[in-house]
Amino acid sequence: DGGITQSPKYLFRKEGQNVTLSCEQNLNHDAMYWYRQDPGQGLRLIYYSQIVNDFQKGDIAEGYSVSREKKESFPLTVTSAQKNPTAFYLCASSILPGTVYEQYFGPGTRLTVT
Amino acid sequence: ILNVEQSPQSLHVQEGDSTNFTCSFPSSNFYALHWYRWETAKSPEALFVMTLNGDEKKKGRISATLNTKEGYSYLYIKGSQPEDSATYLCASPNDYKLSFGAGTTVTVRA
Repeated sequence: DGGITQSPKYLFRKEGQNVTLSCEQNLNHDAMYWYRQDPGQGLRLIYYSQIVNDFQKGDIAEGYSVSREKKESFPLTVTSAQKNPTAFYLCASSILPGTVYEQYFGPGTRLTVT
Repeated sequence: ILNVEQSPQSLHVQEGDSTNFTCSFPSSNFYALHWYRWETAKSPEALFVMTLNGDEKKKGRISATLNTKEGYSYLYIKGSQPEDSATYLCASPNDYKLSFGAGTTVTVRA
């Protein structure tokens, strides 16, 4: 089955620790995205990657970092510099970059930092 | 950040009734409009990507219309069923990115 996997589903961390969220896709998609969802708000873009070894900041990149060393993988690191890291994180991909292409989403990771 | 707004925030509909709700977006430099359905405990999935003014798309009992000149899209659900209960998101492009609305949460009562 083709799709996007995110792990883990739930993640708990202490304040001050960095944490990395996994995102893998076997759809052979070029573009990948990380979003954050907070209650009552739309999905907000953290980072996106149009192609391997390239990525761009989204609207709320501060306190986050990413890498895109392989086409199928786009991990997100939430650093200790992120002031409000507790949120639901969604990874997505599209066959090509550009916004006429529908995005396919993973199941998400709920991160709780205390 | 592109301002995409959805209304209402939530609605309840009786099983068998039809309903509709709105997505508004800046009409200048329009490129595309996306609709996604997000059921509880599942991943968001694409319903439609619309690009032409006046376009109407349909998937089963769900359809959408697009007015790019005035900057709005309607999503319609005909004869609502409990499985239609979900949050419906719209999104409009901003450069290579999508800006999402906060969603309309639909609850279908049996």
